[in-house]
Amino acid sequence: QSALTQPRSVSGSPGQSVTISCAGTRSDVGGYNYVSWYQQHPGKAPKLMIFDVSKRPSWAPDRFSGSKSGNRASLTISGLQAEDEADYYCCSYAGNYTFEIFGTGTKVTVL
Amino acid sequence: QVQLVESGGGVVQPGGSLRLSCAASGFTFSSYVMHWVRQAPGKGLEWVTSIGFDGRNKYYADSVRGRFTISRDNSKNTLYLQMNSLRAEDTAVYYCAKDRCRSISCYSAYWGQGTLVTVSS
Repeated sequence: QSALTQPRSVSGSPGQSVTISCAGTRSDVGGYNYVSWYQQHPGKAPKLMIFDVSKRPSWAPDRFSGSKSGNRASLTISGLQAEDEADYYCCSYAGNYTFEIFGTGTKVTVL
Repeated sequence: QVQLVESGGGVVQPGGSLRLSCAASGFTFSSYVMHWVRQAPGKGLEWVTSIGFDGRNKYYADSVRGRFTISRDNSKNTLYLQMNSLRAEDTAVYYCAKDRCRSISCYSAYWGQGTLVTVSS
């Protein structure tokens, strides 16, 4: 039950785009289209930003987008804004034993 | 609106026990998978355990299997986490979360505010 692998940090200037990768295996990310992404600000509960690989909930700005290729999922934030500075976690369904697995987390810094 | 309110956290000695509760409202509690997810101080999110809509199917992370037990009372709209043989590494904020699905993990749009469990002598 190893965590999905994410870069520890990414950064960008306001208006730029950043992409966060999430590497798994065919038993989790690669095997199901149940990849989600969560944003977490310090001291707050996680907030859903992407579900089912690429769908956005109503509260997520359209500058957030998700994709998947093979065993790797990605979250892209286009037009970076100051309020996007936070920790981001990917998550995937992993079958009837492991069930759910989170990524290691990525800190996004807006320069 | 959907609300999830955790309670039961606190300070406990190593080897001790604690029971967390999560009171749910604003949705049909008996229709969805529920999760417990934890976050150790300064660390990332870690899935702990999940339970199917009817309570029959339960899933555990290796780190807690055999020590923690998840359960739910659909008549009281409440999720529980019984934690036994607690270790220092169980120290974390524990969140309950509501899944969209009935029997698998799809995604969790709703989370509680978390309750802090500290295991220390």
